[in-house]
Amino acid sequence: EVQLVESGGGLVQPGGSLRLSCAASGFTFTNYWMHWVRQAPGKGLVWVSRIKSDGSSTSYADSVKGRFTISRDNAKNTLYLQMNSLRAEDTAVYYCARDPLFGGLLGGMDVWGQGTTVTVSS
Amino acid sequence: EIVMTQSPATLSVSPGERATLSCRASQSVSSNLAWYQQKPGQAPRLLIYGASTRATGGPARFSGSGSGTEFTLTISSLQSEDFAVYYCQQYNYWPTFGQGTRVEIK
Repeated sequence: EVQLVESGGGLVQPGGSLRLSCAASGFTFTNYWMHWVRQAPGKGLVWVSRIKSDGSSTSYADSVKGRFTISRDNAKNTLYLQMNSLRAEDTAVYYCARDPLFGGLLGGMDVWGQGTTVTVSS
Repeated sequence: EIVMTQSPATLSVSPGERATLSCRASQSVSSNLAWYQQKPGQAPRLLIYGASTRATGGPARFSGSGSGTEFTLTISSLQSEDFAVYYCQQYNYWPTFGQGTRVEIK
């Protein structure tokens, strides 16, 4: 079964750090670009970051650039999101998602994890 | 950034009826558009990609159409499990999502 399982969320104070993980199984992880997408309470979906299958290319939304770092360990089939200098507005459920390259283009997402909740509050 | 605008915000439909959801892009995204379904407390689930291709396992009652800036998701006969929030997303540029349409029971 194709599966993504996030972990690492929790309560953190403003200015703090957190590292999220996303464990992949049931597919060849090394063949896929991967994304992080977040959803603030009661709000819609917002793309956060993406990483190439071999980890050689990364991109970020402007709202997190310079604070968040996406990475992956293909030997462990795991995706990461290191979040530093956290702000209240980073409070959200964070999802990892697989990119199947629909039509050869980046950005579509066909498999999603169940999400992990990050709360930034004092 | 391409802005995706969905309408209506909420759609009240009786079971068995047809539902039509709209999504507009602020500039052309060709056919690089996906639709997702999200139920409370769950992750989004891919329904449609390429504007009109049903995802694997997607029920045939879901269909997508459109290209350029105007897109439609149609649910031909609503079932109880279809009451949820639906998001469109373009992937022609940096990915952006619409704000969602909630389909509720009338």
